[in-house]
Amino acid sequence: DIQMTQSPSSLSASVGDRVTITCRASQSISRYLNWYQQKPGKAPKLLIYAAFSLQSGVPSRFSGSGSGTDFTLTISSLQPEDFATYYCQQSYSNPFTFGPGTKVDIK
Amino acid sequence: QVQLQESGPGLVKPSETLSLTCTVSGGSISSSSYYWGWIRQPPGKGLEWIGNIYYSGSTYYNPSLKSRVTISVDMSKKQFSLKLSSVTAADTAVYYCARTFGDSNYLDYWGQGTLVTVSS
Repeated sequence: DIQMTQSPSSLSASVGDRVTITCRASQSISRYLNWYQQKPGKAPKLLIYAAFSLQSGVPSRFSGSGSGTDFTLTISSLQPEDFATYYCQQSYSNPFTFGPGTKVDIK
Repeated sequence: QVQLQESGPGLVKPSETLSLTCTVSGGSISSSSYYWGWIRQPPGKGLEWIGNIYYSGSTYYNPSLKSRVTISVDMSKKQFSLKLSSVTAADTAVYYCARTFGDSNYLDYWGQGTLVTVSS
């Protein structure tokens, strides 16, 4: 199985801050990397697919980059509705594993 | 707008079989562009991909669960189903169904999730 790690596991930030979350795969996954946002009691929501493609309807303050084993999710200016947990997922090979998540909360 | 809705028992006894159904509305379950899958999340923990099914019936399972999992599809009812046998307390989780886009395998639409507790 491909192992996914994320850093940091949690962070505190203020509205308007630029936030960066890193995801690393245990082997190369090309650009088969997706990012999801999950709020308490809700299903995950797709933000970014194929490493850098913005899902329809997702604000442009979210962006993704990377390829191979190292990837980044950036929120350019954190908004109140962005406080949530963020997961990366590799969709390169079965099983399609998720990272452990990064919780973003209010400073 | 595609919508998915999980249904099934919220309580299952140990050693029995967990059965859930996902009903798809607002879109075609027989589209060649998508797979239909299941993901679970134990309380307070991360996400685990369980498996996918294509409209043709082809299935893809997480090897760690493969011996206990069956996913099936009923196109006439626009439903796909999950069966997980020989459950234990470790299978207690919120179970989500989701649409998977083609060969890129990203999950673009999710159901709201349903909590299944394994307990006697």
